[in-house]
Amino acid sequence: AQSVTQPDIHITVSEGASLELRCNYSYGATPYLFWYVQSPCQGLQLLLKYFSGDTLVQGIKGFEAEFKRSQSSFNLRKPSVHWSDAAEYFCAVQAGTYKYIFGTGTRLKVLA
Amino acid sequence: NAGVTQTPKFRVLKTGQSMTLLCAQDMNHEYMYWYRQDPGMGLRLIHYSVGEGTTAKGEVPDGYNVSRLKKQNFLLGLESAAPSQTSVYFCASSYDRGGSNQPQHFGDGTRLSIL
Repeated sequence: AQSVTQPDIHITVSEGASLELRCNYSYGATPYLFWYVQSPCQGLQLLLKYFSGDTLVQGIKGFEAEFKRSQSSFNLRKPSVHWSDAAEYFCAVQAGTYKYIFGTGTRLKVLA
Repeated sequence: NAGVTQTPKFRVLKTGQSMTLLCAQDMNHEYMYWYRQDPGMGLRLIHYSVGEGTTAKGEVPDGYNVSRLKKQNFLLGLESAAPSQTSVYFCASSYDRGGSNQPQHFGDGTRLSIL
């Protein structure tokens, strides 16, 4: 079955610390992968995407993600978290032309 | 650049009432989608459209209808609202460039409460 799993519902980090949000997917073909961020009372904003090529992709706001086919993972990372990064993060896989499967999200809290 | 605009942003309905949510995009995207977001469940696809005049069912279509009379607009209707339809509704759009699929662009959501 096609699915996206974000095993961490909540993560708390201190400002300036590094961050890694986990995402695992289940999809038979070559996946198109995305990370989105959702701030309170707002829609989802695209952070980065992976379609092919270099498995380490750079996104906006200093985020990056690494595609590991052998582990079916697409983890999101940031070297130094800012207080403004507090939000909910969603991983998604495009499982067909019009079909996008979203994870259940990871809510990030940043301590000052 | 407005992107994807949803109206209204908030609405409270009584059980059995009807309403229509409007989504408008100004990016000339072919594909449009309606999702609902519930705590702990991520986004679930209600209906989608691959072009003007066409619609299709998604994962959770029951209780909803849609129309795409114009390319830039995608309407979501609730004919007889039920408390189970209390949710945050998101509209999204995307395009297909030469077989290379593109990410979706989202509106800011409509928060709907059914009493």
